[in-house]
Amino acid sequence: AQSVTQLDSQVPVFEEAPVELRCNYSSSVSVYLFWYVQYPNQGLQLLLKYLSGSTLVKGINGFEAEFNKSQTSFHLRKPSVHISDTAEYFCAAFIQGAQKLVFGQGTRLTINP
Amino acid sequence: NAGVTQTPKFRVLKTGQSMTLLCAQDMNHEYMYWYRQDPGMGLRLIHYSVGEGTTAKGEVPDGYNVSRLKKQNFLLGLESAAPSQTSVYFCASSYGGPPDTQYFGPGTRLTVL
Repeated sequence: AQSVTQLDSQVPVFEEAPVELRCNYSSSVSVYLFWYVQYPNQGLQLLLKYLSGSTLVKGINGFEAEFNKSQTSFHLRKPSVHISDTAEYFCAAFIQGAQKLVFGQGTRLTINP
Repeated sequence: NAGVTQTPKFRVLKTGQSMTLLCAQDMNHEYMYWYRQDPGMGLRLIHYSVGEGTTAKGEVPDGYNVSRLKKQNFLLGLESAAPSQTSVYFCASSYGGPPDTQYFGPGTRLTVL
């Protein structure tokens, strides 16, 4: 079965430090990949998505992600985080042939001053 | 332009009671979705609709019914609520099917006692 795995349930970092949130997917067919952010008490908001082309995808708020087909990964990175980045981050995949997004379990990013 | 709105924001039910959650979007989107979010499980698709008058089952449809009588509205019904349906419910809409970006509402927090 197709699945999305976020390897860390919680990631604490200090303000202005770099961060990487890890995401792996399992699929033997073409896949589209997404990162969503959920700020406290809000709905999900799209950060970025990979459909095709360049494997390095830039999103909003200074985030970027790299699609690695050989490692079936789509890790999210930011070189310097801010307190306002405190949120839960969800990786999701749409596998061609299916009719739904499959979400990972979420990673809670906590920024310490 | 309100985007995706959900009514109500919070609700407490007793086991066996029924209720309807309303989702409305003003973006003229064809596709609408209902998800539930549970700790450590990400988002799971309950039902979705690819256009007015159509509905389809998602990953976890049991115990829920839906209707899409108008293009802008997507209703989620619980006929006989159970404690296992305690969750946060999110509605989303998109212009086309995946990989079109899904826009999420703010969520409804439902507790079943």
